[in-house]
Amino acid sequence: SAVISQKPSRDICQRGTSLTIQCQVDSQVTMMFWYRQQPGQSLTLIATANQGSEATYESGFVIDKFPISRPNLTFSTLTVSNMSPEDSSIYLCSGQLAGAPDTQYFGPGTRLTVL
Amino acid sequence: GESVGLHLPTLSVQEGDNSIINCAYSNSASDYFIWYKQESGKGPQFIIDIRSNMDKRQGQRVTVLLNKTVKHLSLQIAATQPGDSAVYFCAERSSNTGKLIFGQGTTLQVKP
Repeated sequence: SAVISQKPSRDICQRGTSLTIQCQVDSQVTMMFWYRQQPGQSLTLIATANQGSEATYESGFVIDKFPISRPNLTFSTLTVSNMSPEDSSIYLCSGQLAGAPDTQYFGPGTRLTVL
Repeated sequence: GESVGLHLPTLSVQEGDNSIINCAYSNSASDYFIWYKQESGKGPQFIIDIRSNMDKRQGQRVTVLLNKTVKHLSLQIAATQPGDSAVYFCAERSSNTGKLIFGQGTTLQVKP
């Protein structure tokens, strides 16, 4: 398995501001993903973070709102831009290990509250 | 469209009993399935997985069964313990896109 950490673990932000969430993996991963989990609900894929190139976004998510970086194999950031209360959610990153390409391992999540 | 769903939103069991959590999926082309456990305030934790060329896989106290004929997946937990209380998600991987699609989750409550 992999150890995946996220920073911050939680934050309370004012509407109109932006927050950048960091994801660090302790092993080399082939794929990294960002998910959103609204309270009491399941996980929804936001995008696939591609190393050295633009992320691949799912329907309903756009780069201007959720810019993503992945400068190397073990690190990625997700920014939630121009936040509104509807962005209040848990944001999770996950990775697929180079040696175990099927399974996704998840970070602990970042709990975001927008006032 | 593709969807993965769970039959029951909440399952309550007595400590020591066996638990069975069910999941239905709709994409017959899915080639890989995973069960995750999510405790309050934490990220999903991998429990067990199964490929579409298998119908059963066992782990420590857990067994996953796959019935491709009816597109049904189940997670069996033997001798359920209070520490098993959590939300359980099934996920399928689309062989078309390689992405995971998550079900809605079942809350398992273990009564002492």
